[in-house]
Amino acid sequence: DTGVSQDPRHKITKRGQNVTFRCDPISEHNRLYWYRQTLGQGPEFLTYFQNEAQLEKSRLLSDRFSAERPKGSFSTLEIQRTEQGDSAMYLCASSLGQASGEKLFFGSGTQLSVL
Amino acid sequence: KNEVEQSPQNLTAQEGEFITINCSYSVGISALHWLQQHPGGGIVSLFMLSSGKKKHGRLIATINIQEKHSSLHITASHPRDSAVYICAVEGYGGSQGNLIFGKGTKLSVKP
Repeated sequence: DTGVSQDPRHKITKRGQNVTFRCDPISEHNRLYWYRQTLGQGPEFLTYFQNEAQLEKSRLLSDRFSAERPKGSFSTLEIQRTEQGDSAMYLCASSLGQASGEKLFFGSGTQLSVL
Repeated sequence: KNEVEQSPQNLTAQEGEFITINCSYSVGISALHWLQQHPGGGIVSLFMLSSGKKKHGRLIATINIQEKHSSLHITASHPRDSAVYICAVEGYGGSQGNLIFGKGTKLSVKP
């Protein structure tokens, strides 16, 4: 499968624990994006990378959230000291990164439940 | 008021019907995306457009930049078209991927 893959698909954790999600983009894609989606709502932008550089972060991304893309390939999103309000679907997408207005390719998401 | 509004929120149709989903936005944009989301979360990009009209199979997307409005049409609808359809815009001058999403239109096509 050469699409965008995310791991894990589901994560259940207790409040206060740290969690880390992984996203593997399509191999030749330079841009990688993270979004968050709560039930019944559209996704919300969190952050994006051009190769290994994190170029933009949403104000939604509090200090408890950190994202990395160390070698410009896969990316991780870590949430420290999780809160119940962090429960959501975390979506990753990638694109070629050669121009504006490119088609995005999405992963299946990681569903986080914070108890 | 949300920057991206979709209507209707929910839509039930009979197989074979012509379907229209509308998207209005209040910001200047460089591009508009139509996305399809099936139960379980997976999102597929259907169209990316900045002007005019695009067609792919039974799907047609149009955009009117002056009126800040886009429509997604499905001809000869089929139960497999049942999904949530999401409109998302790239704000003009903003970074690509920093999309503003609508809440989605949930479509159910009955056989």
